[in-house]
Amino acid sequence: GAGVSQSPRYKVAKRGQDVALRCDPISGHVSLFWYQQALGQGPEFLTYFQNEAQLDKSGLPSDRFFAERPEGSVSTLKIQRTQQEDSAVYLCASSLGGVVSYEQYFGPGTRLTVT
Amino acid sequence: KQEVTQIPAALSVPEGENLVLNCSFTDSAIYNLQWFRQDPGKGLTSLLLIQSSQREQTSGRLNASLDKSSGRSTLYIAASQPGDSATYLCAVYNQGGKLIFGQGTELSVKP
Repeated sequence: GAGVSQSPRYKVAKRGQDVALRCDPISGHVSLFWYQQALGQGPEFLTYFQNEAQLDKSGLPSDRFFAERPEGSVSTLKIQRTQQEDSAVYLCASSLGGVVSYEQYFGPGTRLTVT
Repeated sequence: KQEVTQIPAALSVPEGENLVLNCSFTDSAIYNLQWFRQDPGKGLTSLLLIQSSQREQTSGRLNASLDKSSGRSTLYIAASQPGDSATYLCAVYNQGGKLIFGQGTELSVKP
């Protein structure tokens, strides 16, 4: 595709359920990032992949959050035993290179609501 | 730890006015700086990317400047229109590749 795509666009989960959010980066992009955006706030970094290697997961808020990119393309962010504070928009971004100066391109986000 | 601050948090102006949005960052060791637009319930639209070696970038009615030494960037919008109403986010590229965002400025342009 022409841009970064994410699915689902909207997800409602009951507290305690597990969810999986998918990100399809731009074809050929080496780097992939996940960000979390709470209502009224700027996005905050969660984790970063270079190809299939997860190089930085310092932003993951708890061990209930897990991300993978097994073949270096599609990535999945999994949240186990969802809590109300997990309600947010989850944004995925990809960039062409493996160095810090490459521009990141964002997907439309997945809005997660935990009830 | 890098912190990005945007002032003001909200701004309301009449149509046609020129305006300036401000962004400041605490660590001048940045790589690039990028301005985004976000419409309600939508993702991020990139407006301008300023590389660390540049002082400014222009696109249409938008002009963004960067002063690394003082830790500041401004986004200038000329002849504002109601369609410019959105939240504007500033973000810096830090070591390690992650983007550090400000909390945004919510702009409302009244017809």
